[in-house]
Amino acid sequence: SQTIHQWPATLVQPVGSPLSLECTVEGTSNPNLYWYRQAAGRGLQLLFYSVGIGQISSEVPQNLSASRPQDRQFILSSKKLLLSDSGFYLCAWSRVLGSGNTIYFGEGSWLTVV
Amino acid sequence: AQKVTQAQTEISVVEKEDVTLDCVYETRDTTYYLFWYKQPPSGELVFLIRRNSFDEQNEISGRYSWNFQKSTSSFNFTITASQVVDSAVYFCALSEATGGATNKLIFGTGTLLAVQP
Repeated sequence: SQTIHQWPATLVQPVGSPLSLECTVEGTSNPNLYWYRQAAGRGLQLLFYSVGIGQISSEVPQNLSASRPQDRQFILSSKKLLLSDSGFYLCAWSRVLGSGNTIYFGEGSWLTVV
Repeated sequence: AQKVTQAQTEISVVEKEDVTLDCVYETRDTTYYLFWYKQPPSGELVFLIRRNSFDEQNEISGRYSWNFQKSTSSFNFTITASQVVDSAVYFCALSEATGGATNKLIFGTGTLLAVQP
């Protein structure tokens, strides 16, 4: 069976510090990978998605970047965090073939920028 | 443009009551997919159901049931005999076939369900 893990689960970072959130998927190959953010108010916003190694698409302009160094590894980064980067970050995966595939989410990472 | 509306921001019920969560969607595609996810207090989004636009059969899974009506662009979710463990935020989401391999989801704003003992 497939599993997805992301870490760290919680972090508190000062403004201007760097960020690295990591996500790995097991039990499948060549998945689509996604980073979502959930700010206060519950809305879920797609930040990045990747259909393959080194292929990153950004949905919204922002202070964050994403990378996919390996097939099942997805990293969310920032060089200098802003207060507005605070939120709940969710990594997710789906199969590639076909459309409308179910997206499965990781446990999430709570980021507080102070 | 595609859009998902969950007009109910919060619902509070007493245990054992039935509750229906509403979801209305907008899309220009004839082929699309609808989803429901549950987000308990721990934060993880748990997949509940996926329906494609060509399958309007209602579905029942234990205490959960879903009513898909293309005529009204709705995909409502009913919990029968609610329990405290059902307390969570529930999200309805839409994915269009024209999204291709990316399978991007458009989420509603969620409905917070509080089940009181």
